[in-house]
Amino acid sequence: AQSVSQHNHHVILSEAASLELGCNYSYGGTVNLFWYVQYPGQHLQLLLKYFSGDPLVKGIKGFEAEFIKSKFSFNLRKPSVQWSDTAEYFCAVNAGGGSYIPTFGRGTSLIVHP
Amino acid sequence: DAGITQSPRHKVTETGTPVTLRCHQTENHRYMYWYRQDPGHGLRLIHYSYGVKDTDKGEVSDGYSVSRSKTEDFLLTLESATSSQTSVYFCAISATAEGSGANVLTFGAGSRLTVL
Repeated sequence: AQSVSQHNHHVILSEAASLELGCNYSYGGTVNLFWYVQYPGQHLQLLLKYFSGDPLVKGIKGFEAEFIKSKFSFNLRKPSVQWSDTAEYFCAVNAGGGSYIPTFGRGTSLIVHP
Repeated sequence: DAGITQSPRHKVTETGTPVTLRCHQTENHRYMYWYRQDPGHGLRLIHYSYGVKDTDKGEVSDGYSVSRSKTEDFLLTLESATSSQTSVYFCAISATAEGSGANVLTFGAGSRLTVL
């Protein structure tokens, strides 16, 4: 069974700081990878996804993530965070080939101070 | 939000009472999921459905049952609610398990359940 680890549970940054949130998964086959974001009081929404091709994927609001197959990682990055990025971030993985049961990490709470 | 409606949005109930949460979609998506969200645990899958009357258990299914009698509705039932089931419940839908849109989940607004 696949599993997802998010190593940073709580991150506090000041505006304009750079962000990198770690995500590692355990599954040896083809995977689909996702980052979801949950703003305070709201539901989860897709930030970005990786299915195949260029391992560097860009999402909404200036976020990007890099898939490194050899490290089983899919880290989320943003060069300069804003106060509005305060949210909880979830990494999710899905085994490819028709599997439809995503597994989520425990989430990382990001607080950005103005 | 994107054609998913959860009801009720908030509910307070007492231990031992039955509770049913409803997820209704207008997207005609095949796959539907129920997750619970708890601090420190992230999202955990309770049950999922891959078609009408086709459901299966997730990782935290004990104490929960589901039904899907039509494409648009996925019901989650707590037969006898316990305090450990106090949580926020999210329904999600997905159109396909293949191709570039595979497994992209769209979530409902959530149902906050408190069991006293």
